[in-house]
Amino acid sequence: SYELTQPPSVSVSPGQTASITCSGDNLGGKYACWYQQKPGQHPVLVIYQDTKRPSGIPERFSGSNSGNTATLTISGTQAMDEADYYCQTWDSSTGVFGGGTKLTVL
Amino acid sequence: QITLKESGPTLVKPTQTLTLTCTFSGFSLSTSAVAMGWVRQPPGKALEWLALIYWNDDKRYSPSLKSRLTITKDASKNQVVLTVTNMDPIDTATYYCAHSMGSISWSFDYWGQGTLVTVPS
Repeated sequence: SYELTQPPSVSVSPGQTASITCSGDNLGGKYACWYQQKPGQHPVLVIYQDTKRPSGIPERFSGSNSGNTATLTISGTQAMDEADYYCQTWDSSTGVFGGGTKLTVL
Repeated sequence: QITLKESGPTLVKPTQTLTLTCTFSGFSLSTSAVAMGWVRQPPGKALEWLALIYWNDDKRYSPSLKSRLTITKDASKNQVVLTVTNMDPIDTATYYCAHSMGSISWSFDYWGQGTLVTVPS
């Protein structure tokens, strides 16, 4: 079965740029999306189709996808961005989530 | 305004069948290129994609759980139902229903609040 690999944790200082990676075999040949989940809340879609932001998502969130790696980048990270982030893609017409990355803003 | 809400039992005994209902508003599951899905999350663990049903009644299931899952829809009642057979303590999780569309490559853009289902050991 298809697997997506994310680093368990990423730390960033306020105002700096955070990058969270998601790796999978030929992931660049598929669409990737990203979700943010804060404690006790449902996930929120922050990036879809590799690079697009849903309405209401701040411009500091951006995405890319090439080769075997998709990347979520948060520019000018704020304390409110501290959360778990999950990548997701499709393989053989079924969805697959990555294991999640805990972003700490300190 | 799209809203979704999951309902069902909070406690299920091992070997029993879990039936969860998602009641939604603000869109029609009869509309082309609309879908509804289910995702679960064990306590403290990652999200797990379970199933998706399309407006045309096409269905997709997680390969690892396919034999135990059934997803159905009643567009007239604005409901989607997920059944999971032969429940086990490892199925303890918060179960979410979510809205999806082809225009966003079937990502989930609206989610329910989730419902915690516990299977005691």
